[in-house]
Amino acid sequence: QTVVTQEPSFSVSPGGTVTLTCGLTSGSVSTNYYPSWYQQTPGQAPHTLIYNTNIRSSGVPNRFSGSILGNKAALTITGAQAGDESDYYCVLYLGPGIWVFGGGTKLTVL
Amino acid sequence: QLQLQESGPGLVKPSETLSLTCSVSGDSVSNVLSYWSWIRQPPGKGLEWIGYMYHSGNINYNPSLKSRVTISVDTSKNHFSLNLSSVTAADTALYYCARGTCGSTNCFFYFDQWGQGTLVTVSS
Repeated sequence: QTVVTQEPSFSVSPGGTVTLTCGLTSGSVSTNYYPSWYQQTPGQAPHTLIYNTNIRSSGVPNRFSGSILGNKAALTITGAQAGDESDYYCVLYLGPGIWVFGGGTKLTVL
Repeated sequence: QLQLQESGPGLVKPSETLSLTCSVSGDSVSNVLSYWSWIRQPPGKGLEWIGYMYHSGNINYNPSLKSRVTISVDTSKNHFSLNLSSVTAADTALYYCARGTCGSTNCFFYFDQWGQGTLVTVSS
């Protein structure tokens, strides 16, 4: 069974830059997996940040960017703000008609 | 503006079938450019994709749940549904419906809109 890996937690200072990653226990993540990223604050539904590796969803600040770094998908937040403190999930499309979520990363801004 | 609204019983007994509906407004479940998924989140845990359907009748499920899951659509009511049989306490979760959408020439296989979710507790 395919397992998508994410850092369980990460911490960043206000104004700092952080890169969260999304990998596979077996193999490399490429654009062929159409990685997407979602932000979830407590009590709220997930909100789409990035899709197709690096396309920002409508209204998402350009502080958020997506890429492939090495063998993983990556979400980079520059100029972190207190409001960025959330859970972040990546999703990979394994095709056809199969998606897998990563376990999520809890980001703390302090 | 697209709205997705999950509905169904908040409490289901063990071994019974969980049934939820996602009502869609602002789009059509028959839209050839849209596909529809169910996703769940146990309390305090991460998200899990359950399954998806596409208007053409393409349906697929998470292999770990496949034996218990059925997704169906009612185009006359513009909603789609989830049935999960033989539930246990491990199926207690917030259940979300979500839409994915494709462009006219390609598809990026992500979820662009989410419902607010509905909590289902499995307990006797």
